[in-house]
Amino acid sequence: DAKTTQPPSMDCAEGRAANLPCNHSTISGNEYVYWYRQIHSQGPQYIIHGLKNNETNEMASLIITEDRKSSTLILPHATLRDTAVYYCIVNSGAGSYQLTFGKGTKLSVIP
Amino acid sequence: EAGVTQFPSHSVIEKGQTVTLRCDPISGHDNLYWYRRVMGKEIKFLLHFVKESKQDESGMPNNRFLAERTGGTYSTLKVQPAELEDSGVYFCASSQLTRLAGSSSYNEQFFGPGTRLTVL
Repeated sequence: DAKTTQPPSMDCAEGRAANLPCNHSTISGNEYVYWYRQIHSQGPQYIIHGLKNNETNEMASLIITEDRKSSTLILPHATLRDTAVYYCIVNSGAGSYQLTFGKGTKLSVIP
Repeated sequence: EAGVTQFPSHSVIEKGQTVTLRCDPISGHDNLYWYRRVMGKEIKFLLHFVKESKQDESGMPNNRFLAERTGGTYSTLKVQPAELEDSGVYFCASSQLTRLAGSSSYNEQFFGPGTRLTVL
């Protein structure tokens, strides 16, 4: 699976949009981009995934560049409960479904 | 719908003892995974079941770890004998694979709250 690079930490004001970037320049054609988050010491929580097109669900939006080498997770109106470590993971699902968690981005939402 | 549950939530044992962790996946999920995070490290994959069969156990650290999923429902992870470096949080996840045309497939994994294991 392709390696991902994320900034170690980010701050966001409460109520503003949080934009979390991820680089995955070695991604291959059949690999999906997944985003998970871990709030404090809870289990990781699935947020969203995408292949080529931009995706939106009730939690977030995922913007994938045309060349698929990078993506941005957008939390449109960040709340204090969104403070967590966010993980960008690339996985093909073909033969091995293990998720490779890196260090992620620690997002702090500030009142 | 109930999520993934894990038991116990915490376990404190002495070095050399045996501990068994249990995971109940979401009903109907054929895929079950074990992960762990040891102190200061990243979350690491341990193994993957498809129903009762081990699909991928490449992440199992050594033969002191034994995972089972008899009947393809709940799973247990036994550590025998436990060592100090086994301390950490053990997560279980489950998913129902969604396969698309060709080789492309994806699955959303749903994680349990974890079991915090402390080996003294």
